[in-house]
Amino acid sequence: QKEVEQNSGPLSVPEGAIASLNCTYSDRGSQSFFWYRQYSGKSPELIMFIYSNGDKEDGRFTAQLNKASQYVSLLIRDSQPSDSATYLCAVIGGTALIFGKGTTLSVSS
Amino acid sequence: DVKVTQSSRYLVKRTGEKVFLECVQDMDHENMFWYRQDPGLGLRLIYFSYDVKMKEKGDIPEGYSVSREKKERFSLILESASTNQTSMYLCASSTTDRKNTEAFFGQGTRLTVV
Repeated sequence: QKEVEQNSGPLSVPEGAIASLNCTYSDRGSQSFFWYRQYSGKSPELIMFIYSNGDKEDGRFTAQLNKASQYVSLLIRDSQPSDSATYLCAVIGGTALIFGKGTTLSVSS
Repeated sequence: DVKVTQSSRYLVKRTGEKVFLECVQDMDHENMFWYRQDPGLGLRLIYFSYDVKMKEKGDIPEGYSVSREKKERFSLILESASTNQTSMYLCASSTTDRKNTEAFFGQGTRLTVV
């Protein structure tokens, strides 16, 4: 069974700090990797996707992928209270999109 | 904008009832998914479909079935609802572009089985 693992948290950071969220996956053949953000009571929304080894930056967000280590991370710079949410890592397993259980981030002002 | 619409936001059903959850997408996506989300368990895949009349079991298909007669519509069926199926159900759709398979989610259906 393909698995996606995340630390459930909560991860607490002060406003303005860097938040680092991590994810490992079991299927070495996985090609595409996604980070979704989910606010309480809302549906997940896509923040970043990455499919090449290395870093991908978009504003305050940076996704990092290391296929050899089967590891993908999300860095949030200058964290804001509005970033407080659950962050879901997702991996394409065959055709299906498989999610981790999510990491809860809390940014204190 | 991609739109994924689930037929109900909240549902309350009795144990043993047959329950239909409907999902419609308007972006001609090939893939459609049904997940359930429970506290501490994350999003778990129930079933997915990659084409009309095609379906694949996800991680927790027991007690559920699905139907995809048209490309835009994917239905989740609880054959005989039980209290352990009380959950938030999320439908999603995506393209088959393997490098950009962003999934778009519906608003969710909170199902309570009493």
